[in-house]
Amino acid sequence: AQKITQTQPGMFVQEKEAVTLDCTYDTSDPSYGLFWYKQPSSGEMIFLIYQGSYDQQNATEGRYSLNFQKARKSANLVISASQLGDSAMYFCAMKGYGQNFVFGPGTRLSVLP
Amino acid sequence: DTGVSQDPRHKITKRGQNVTFRCDPISEHNRLYWYRQTLGQGPEFLTYFQNEAQLEKSRLLSDRFSAERPKGSFSTLEIQRTEQGDSAMYLCASSEQGTSNAMNTEAFFGQGTRLTVV
Repeated sequence: AQKITQTQPGMFVQEKEAVTLDCTYDTSDPSYGLFWYKQPSSGEMIFLIYQGSYDQQNATEGRYSLNFQKARKSANLVISASQLGDSAMYFCAMKGYGQNFVFGPGTRLSVLP
Repeated sequence: DTGVSQDPRHKITKRGQNVTFRCDPISEHNRLYWYRQTLGQGPEFLTYFQNEAQLEKSRLLSDRFSAERPKGSFSTLEIQRTEQGDSAMYLCASSEQGTSNAMNTEAFFGQGTRLTVV
């Protein structure tokens, strides 16, 4: 069975600063994908970034980067230069051979002006 | 393409009634997923289809729940004899299959159907 753990129920960050959202995972699949989604108060799930288990380099997408440490089974999301619009719930998810997405409980990020 | 579309956006029903939700995925996506999300929690997997075949069902999907994707395009999720515990947001998502069941195909979500059972 696959499991995602996000130990930070809520995080605060000052505007323009960087923030790291933690994610650890557990799986027995040798190959898997890791995803981060953002869910603003409006409710839609927005895909942010993807990391493959065999990717040699950490993924980056604009202000988002993924700090992938395979041996530790962690896939932390780093948001640089936080903006007020980054305030939302953030979910870490994984997909293995079963091809369904397993989500963590989420972290609520609040960006302070 | 306008993305994943779900209908209705909101549904209020009395306990014991049946409800049906519809999801129209992105047209070229052959995978379709249903998730349930309660307030403050992450989405919980219910079931997923590849084309018209229902490949996996969660234990959360009791015998009161049934999902179909008859022609491999839109899907419906029916809940029979609704209970107050069924109150949640029901999310639909679709994705491409990718090559050789690749892991890197992200899911695109609809805006969800919020169900309230009174």
